[in-house]
Amino acid sequence: AQSVTQPDIHITVSEGASLELRCNYSYGATPYLFWYVQSPGQGLQLLLKYFSGDTLVQGIKGFEAEFKRSQSSFNLRKPSVHWSDAAEYFCAVAPRFMTTDSWGKLQFGAGTQVVVTP
Amino acid sequence: DGGITQSPKYLFRKEGQNVTLSCEQNLNHDAMYWYRQDPGQGLRLIYYSQIVNDFQKGDIAEGYSVSREKKESFPLTVTSAQKNPTAFYLCASGGIDTQYFGPGTRLTVL
Repeated sequence: AQSVTQPDIHITVSEGASLELRCNYSYGATPYLFWYVQSPGQGLQLLLKYFSGDTLVQGIKGFEAEFKRSQSSFNLRKPSVHWSDAAEYFCAVAPRFMTTDSWGKLQFGAGTQVVVTP
Repeated sequence: DGGITQSPKYLFRKEGQNVTLSCEQNLNHDAMYWYRQDPGQGLRLIYYSQIVNDFQKGDIAEGYSVSREKKESFPLTVTSAQKNPTAFYLCASGGIDTQYFGPGTRLTVL
């Protein structure tokens, strides 16, 4: 079955420290890959996406993600966390080869809550 | 400013009542989506519409209904048949490369 797994439900990080959020997927063919961020009580904002090409993807707010085909992973990183990065982060995938049923459909992981301490 | 608006932000409903959540977009997107968010479960797709007057069920459509009479609007009705409607509901629009999300409606059943 197709799935998206975010192994860490909750991560606490000190301000200024580095952050890495994990995402693993199980799909027949490499899907399109996304990271979204959600501030409390708000909608989701796209941080970055991977369709093809360079496996290191740069996004907004200083985030980057690396696609590793051999590990079926798409981990999100930030070298130095700011207090404003406290939020929930979602990894999402969409099928690369779409049918009428699957068109435009994103499948989300359960999310990782990030807490930033002073 | 282009974007997606959802109203109301908070909604309270008594058991047995239907309630309609509004979603409007001025991004000129053909496709629109409704998601439900519960703690620890990520987002699950309820319904989506690729074009006006057409929509398809997502993964958890039971107890919900939608309409798509205008390109800009995609209202969601939570019916009394939905057994556990208390959740955060998010509307989105756009294609597979980027979906834009509204701010959400928090529905609480009393």
